[in-house]
Amino acid sequence: AQKITQTQPGMFVQEKEAVTLDCTYDTSDPSYGLFWYKQPSSGEMIFLIYQGSYDQQNATEGRYSLNFQKARKSANLVISASQLGDSAMYFCAMREGPQTGANNLFFGTGTRLTVIP
Amino acid sequence: GAVVSQHPSRVICKSGTSVKIECRSLDFQATTMFWYRQFPKKSLMLMATSNEGSKATYEQGVEKDKFLINHASLTLSTLTVTSAHPEDSSFYICSARTNPGQGASPRNQPQHFGDGTRLSIL
Repeated sequence: AQKITQTQPGMFVQEKEAVTLDCTYDTSDPSYGLFWYKQPSSGEMIFLIYQGSYDQQNATEGRYSLNFQKARKSANLVISASQLGDSAMYFCAMREGPQTGANNLFFGTGTRLTVIP
Repeated sequence: GAVVSQHPSRVICKSGTSVKIECRSLDFQATTMFWYRQFPKKSLMLMATSNEGSKATYEQGVEKDKFLINHASLTLSTLTVTSAHPEDSSFYICSARTNPGQGASPRNQPQHFGDGTRLSIL
């Protein structure tokens, strides 16, 4: 089974509007971390936001917030006040196990976000 | 600023040559480095995990004799694509992390990615 599922291959949003990018995950490990990365056309991976499985509150970083619903195993990314520069691929990723371990990240297939002027 | 430097950013070479890609952690000790491969419009696929001073652990389906990984120091890992062929053309990206006890991870991020290497084999 896929560990990370992103069901939206592409999304469009009007500039200045908010958009939600979906991500569901699958793990039986009680300790895990969830990440969102942005990948512009130039290719580099830009870290956006992190949510730990034991974090009580949803993570927020500026215009980015993570809607963490543990029971549903979802970790949707919300981008508020979209900007043209937000157009990129967005990847959801998960690390299984505690942060003290040297575990790799499992990536979803990504969502291509296009911000329309 | 960047905490992981990956070089070169782009390389074009003839079929049959070997290509070396370097991944350096700039201001922290990277006890573990990961190498990913990304096909166009696809996700990142983990190729191998390398720990400093030990042999890399390769994912299923990744030829270790084809993709040689060396992690000789705490700040440098290299991926060498040997006898490259057109099907090896891809975007390769490394990431580096430290473990608690080895020093604080920059910006509290567990992994830091290089900017990637776009490899084109003619």
